[in-house]
Amino acid sequence: DAGVIQSPRHEVTEMGQEVTLRCKPISGHDYLFWYRQTMMRGLELLIYFNNNVPIDDSGMPEDRFSAKMPNASFSTLKIQPSEPRDSAVYFCASRHRFDSPLHFGNGTRLTVT
Amino acid sequence: DAKTTQPPSMDCAEGRAANLPCNHSTISGNEYVYWYRQIHSQGPQYIIHGLKNNETNEMASLIITEDRKSSTLILPHATLRDTAVYYCIVRSRDNQGGKLIFGQGTELSVKP
Repeated sequence: DAGVIQSPRHEVTEMGQEVTLRCKPISGHDYLFWYRQTMMRGLELLIYFNNNVPIDDSGMPEDRFSAKMPNASFSTLKIQPSEPRDSAVYFCASRHRFDSPLHFGNGTRLTVT
Repeated sequence: DAKTTQPPSMDCAEGRAANLPCNHSTISGNEYVYWYRQIHSQGPQYIIHGLKNNETNEMASLIITEDRKSSTLILPHATLRDTAVYYCIVRSRDNQGGKLIFGQGTELSVKP
């Protein structure tokens, strides 16, 4: 079990550029979550999927953010255009069932200059 | 989901038990108490969860008061590697999506 895999680990980009974060959940897990962590706001839930379908995107900050899950083994979080205030660590997590523990990846540290 | 209150920071001597409190006075009967921790620069890690009975696993013990308004996470023999932020989270059993809302947590420092 390789765990939840996120890429890249670090991303530095300039304001206005498009950023794509990637996540491979644990095989067999039905739920996938995207979180964002900053010093000011802590860990925030952005969106989650069940069986590849977005269920709750109420945490997505604005239209610049979009997330997709084209299949059970891959998800992306895209920011277009990026802004300095998007700088944060973005975590992906997955779980097998609704009552199973969440397994987190090691995150992507995004810096927008 | 009910909100939780945790002290922002705690210290513990290496080898001693670390007792981390959590207040969830508005918890309802169908809500679980979950504990996660986050070691610096890593993603959060699941520790334990419970409904009303005390629970124990290889990592920790969870003590829930009879009225379920508070709980304590116990690390029986804390090591330096237990230094982390510990999150207490309450989640409804009816929350089919199982989304977890993290608060600010308790920063535990284990000192030699």
